[in-house]
Amino acid sequence: DGGITQSPKYLFRKEGQNVTLSCEQNLNHDAMYWYRQDPGQGLRLIYYSQIVNDFQKGDIAEGYSVSREKKESFPLTVTSAQKNPTAFYLCASSISRRSSYNEQFFGPGTRLTVL
Amino acid sequence: AQSVTQLGSHVSVSEGALVLLRCNYSSSVPPYLFWYVQYPNQGLQLLLKYTTGATLVKGINGFEAEFKKSETSFHLTKPSAHMSDAAEYFCAVSHSNTNAGKSTFGDGTTLTVKP
Repeated sequence: DGGITQSPKYLFRKEGQNVTLSCEQNLNHDAMYWYRQDPGQGLRLIYYSQIVNDFQKGDIAEGYSVSREKKESFPLTVTSAQKNPTAFYLCASSISRRSSYNEQFFGPGTRLTVL
Repeated sequence: AQSVTQLGSHVSVSEGALVLLRCNYSSSVPPYLFWYVQYPNQGLQLLLKYTTGATLVKGINGFEAEFKKSETSFHLTKPSAHMSDAAEYFCAVSHSNTNAGKSTFGDGTTLTVKP
């Protein structure tokens, strides 16, 4: 089955630690996205990538980093510089970076808690 | 710039009653509009979308939405609510000039269905 996988489902981090969230897709989609979801605030875009080896900052990129070395993978690192990282993180993909009429496909999410 | 406003962060209906979730958008060019549903601790999945053509769009699970340009609205409806419809619903907008297929999401509406 085609889809997006995220791991782990739950992640606990001590303050001052960097953690990496995994996102893999086998849909052969060009574009990939990372969102942060907090209660009552909807989805906020962290980073997005249109093509391998290219990515752009979204609305709340500070304290996060990404890489896109392979088409199917778009890992997100939450660094110690992120002041309030406890949230639900969603990865998504879209078939084409040029077509805004295409919907996004979402992974199941990773819930990050800072202890 | 584009934006989405979902009126009512919480909506409660009785089983069998009409579901109406409101979405108004702002876009300087013709929009593409989407409704997504999110069940607890899961990712989002597409309910329906409007790109061009027929303004009444039918989606999965008996939902439909009507694009009304004059009212800049894309409200989601379902004639008869089912207990399984309880979830959070997100309206999203993009347009042909949107970079990398990005969408702007509303803050979400939580639907509660009472037995």
